[in-house]
Amino acid sequence: DAMVIQNPRYQVTQFGKPVTLSCSQTLNHNVMYWYQQKSSQAPKLLFHYYDKDFNNEADTPDNFQSRRPNTSFCFLDIRSPGLGDAAMYLCATSRGGARTDTQYFGPGTRLTVL
Amino acid sequence: AQSVSQHNHHVILSEAASLELGCNYSYGGTVNLFWYVQYPGQHLQLLLKYFSGDPLVKGIKGFEAEFIKSKFSFNLRKPSVQWSDTAEYFCAVQTSGGGADGLTFGKGTHLIIQP
Repeated sequence: DAMVIQNPRYQVTQFGKPVTLSCSQTLNHNVMYWYQQKSSQAPKLLFHYYDKDFNNEADTPDNFQSRRPNTSFCFLDIRSPGLGDAAMYLCATSRGGARTDTQYFGPGTRLTVL
Repeated sequence: AQSVSQHNHHVILSEAASLELGCNYSYGGTVNLFWYVQYPGQHLQLLLKYFSGDPLVKGIKGFEAEFIKSKFSFNLRKPSVQWSDTAEYFCAVQTSGGGADGLTFGKGTHLIIQP
């Protein structure tokens, strides 16, 4: 089945130690998104790629970076994780190009910072 | 910037009860509206969506939602809930650019259906 896959599902890192989260998709969608969802809060968009074009949200901290080496994969890099970065990180995709596109979500990666 | 408000953070109902979850958004322009559901241990799934046309939209599993533009609302309804509807429900808005624009979510409503 076509889907959005996130690895790992659970990630533990130490304070200040760089960590990378992975997302892949078999939908051949043009757009890939990263959302951060802290406990009891709404998912919040960090950034997205439209093909190779990177679009950062204005309030996304510089500590968060992203890479999209090809259509299928997108990575979220947290350069120096702080305790406040512990959250569920959601990857989503959409076809892009039409006003009526739907976003499809992966299962998320729960990040714990020790 | 747009925002989404879900009025009820926790709702507990008995099976066969009727459900209405409130969602209001703040944005003056044209919007796309969505309800997503997250069952325990699973990923966010699209329940229904509104882009234009008939303001009453029907989704999967007997859910429906009504867009009332004058009230900036998009409330979710189901006439008779089942135990399997226990989940987290998120309302989301996308501004009129649509396409690649991200979603702005509400904080979610945790729905528990008691047998």
